[in-house]
Amino acid sequence: EIVLTQSPGTLSLSPGERATLSCRASQSVSSSYLAWYQQKPGQAPRLLIYGASSRATGIPDRFSGSGSGTDFTLTISRLEPEDFAVYYCQQYGSSPTFGGGTKVEIK
Amino acid sequence: EVQLVESGGGLVQPGGSLRLSCAASGFTFSSYDMHWVRQATGKGLEWVSAIGTAGDTYYPGSVKGRFTISRENAKNSLYLQMNSLRAGDTAVYYCAREATDGAFDIWGQGTMVTVSS
Repeated sequence: EIVLTQSPGTLSLSPGERATLSCRASQSVSSSYLAWYQQKPGQAPRLLIYGASSRATGIPDRFSGSGSGTDFTLTISRLEPEDFAVYYCQQYGSSPTFGGGTKVEIK
Repeated sequence: EVQLVESGGGLVQPGGSLRLSCAASGFTFSSYDMHWVRQATGKGLEWVSAIGTAGDTYYPGSVKGRFTISRENAKNSLYLQMNSLRAGDTAVYYCAREATDGAFDIWGQGTMVTVSS
């Protein structure tokens, strides 16, 4: 099983600031089968990024993904009020696994 | 509108059984692999099971032998039969569609399962 470790656990930022979230895998993620999801309280997760760097349909371009192998990053260029949420990475190259999540909270 | 709607959650005693359903609409259900993912209150996401378009099934070790995923394409429905339930199975259960790339692009709203005496 591929274990995904997300850091930091919590990110305290102000609207307009840049957010950088990290996801590290215990072994290489094949073919960059790495996704990022956003989850708000009481809601289902929403797909943001797939294939490590491709934005899902309807996702604003302030969200970007990068990385390969074992190190991946989600960047939100300028935080909007609706971006404060929990973010999960997921690998789906083998049996799917999720990271523990990073909470982006308002400072 | 592409949509997944789960049902069947509730309170069940330890050792009991429950069957969850997921109704799909707005897309050709039979053409997609489908998954169940769960989330305990205040915790992260855990993949529970998958079923391919050909009916092939996959499980993590935590539920293998206790949970069974199935699908009925004629009814655009996905199911999760859960047996020998434990307190640790208490969670919101989501069904999710696997996109062509493999990520989970559509999620239902979830159904709550509580295992308690």
